[in-house]
Amino acid sequence: DAEITQSPRHKITETGRQVTLACHQTWNHNNMFWYRQDLGHGLRLIHYSYGVHDTNKGEVSDGYSVSRSNTEDLPLTLESAASSQTSVYFCASSGGTSSYEQYFGPGTRLTVT
Amino acid sequence: GENVEQHPSTLSVQEGDSAVIKCTYSDSASNYFPWYKQELGKGPQLIIDIRSNVGEKKDQRIAVTLNKTAKHFSLHITETQPEDSAVYFCAASMGQFYFGTGTSLTVIP
Repeated sequence: DAEITQSPRHKITETGRQVTLACHQTWNHNNMFWYRQDLGHGLRLIHYSYGVHDTNKGEVSDGYSVSRSNTEDLPLTLESAASSQTSVYFCASSGGTSSYEQYFGPGTRLTVT
Repeated sequence: GENVEQHPSTLSVQEGDSAVIKCTYSDSASNYFPWYKQELGKGPQLIIDIRSNVGEKKDQRIAVTLNKTAKHFSLHITETQPEDSAVYFCAASMGQFYFGTGTSLTVIP
């Protein structure tokens, strides 16, 4: 079955380190998204991509970057991790017969100490 | 940008009763309104959605209503069951998704 996976599921890192979170989807969706989820804020968009080599900033993009070299993957990089980036990160994709619908991965819980 | 408000933040109902969660949005250009259910430790799961050219949509025990004039939409769950206990999120979209802050629903057996 087609799916969307994230790795790692849990990560602890130190302030200042570079961290990359992986997202992989097998639906062949053109659109991929990264969100962070914090108590009291719901889900907020970090970056998104509408296709290979396309990337766009979302609402809370400072300190994050993405690159899209193929259809299946959109890795999220924290250039220099900060404690404020402790959060749960979700990847999503869309672009099937109904491009509005977004389907979410299981999430990565990141702790920055 | 769009601003989505969701109420209530917590909701407890007896099994078999109905639950209603309400959201308002600010940008009249928003034209797609999905609802997601999130269980503990999992990603959000799409349960129902509605587009701006439709006023109501039903899928078994869940329904969504949309009032474009008032810029609000609601999720209705009838005959609630313990497995409906979860956090529910609304969103409004004209491309990008803007999410509400979530409603924690508890169904008491």
